[in-house]
Amino acid sequence: EDQVTQSPEALRLQEGESSSLNCSYTVSGLRGLFWYRQDPGKGPEFLFTLYSAGEEKEKERLKATLTKKESFLHITAPKPEDSATYLCAVAGANSKLTFGKGITLSVRP
Amino acid sequence: DAGVTQSPTHLIKTRGQQVTLRCSPKSGHDTVSWYQQALGQGPQFIFQYYEEEERQRGNFPDRFSGHQFPNYSSELNVNALLLGDSALYLCASSLWSVTDTQYFGPGTRLTVL
Repeated sequence: EDQVTQSPEALRLQEGESSSLNCSYTVSGLRGLFWYRQDPGKGPEFLFTLYSAGEEKEKERLKATLTKKESFLHITAPKPEDSATYLCAVAGANSKLTFGKGITLSVRP
Repeated sequence: DAGVTQSPTHLIKTRGQQVTLRCSPKSGHDTVSWYQQALGQGPQFIFQYYEEEERQRGNFPDRFSGHQFPNYSSELNVNALLLGDSALYLCASSLWSVTDTQYFGPGTRLTVL
């Protein structure tokens, strides 16, 4: 059974203080690893898809990386508007997504 | 281009009742997946529809059923509601491919009293 573990559960940063969010996974035949951002009471918003170890993708202050066992979401100089829950999901041999519980990020001004 | 839409936004039901939630996929997408998200948890896969058939199913009882229409829109039906069914129900659309990104709608908040 595919499993995703995200850490830490919650992270509080000062504006401008860079950090990384971790996503560890076990999956039978990784077909894709996905990062989403979710604001309270709303649906997840797509950020990145990574397909193979060594792949990296960037978007504004966010950079996602992938190894054979984990993925990191690096946040550089975060702003208060980056506060949200960040979800990691994997797709294995089928297209069913298995999600982690998410990491709640709070960025203080 | 309209993204994934869901209706209704909020719904309040009592135990034992039945509910139907609706989803319209993003333009050009042919696959719809449904997820249940309890408070403080990640979304959990319920089932996926492609070509009007249920292609995959997660660990949910038969009380949860669905349908996909020829225009690719979809419905999620839940019978004999339990208090534990209270959650945010999310619809996601994609193309039929294991590597295709799923795009989510805003969700339907179901409260069972």
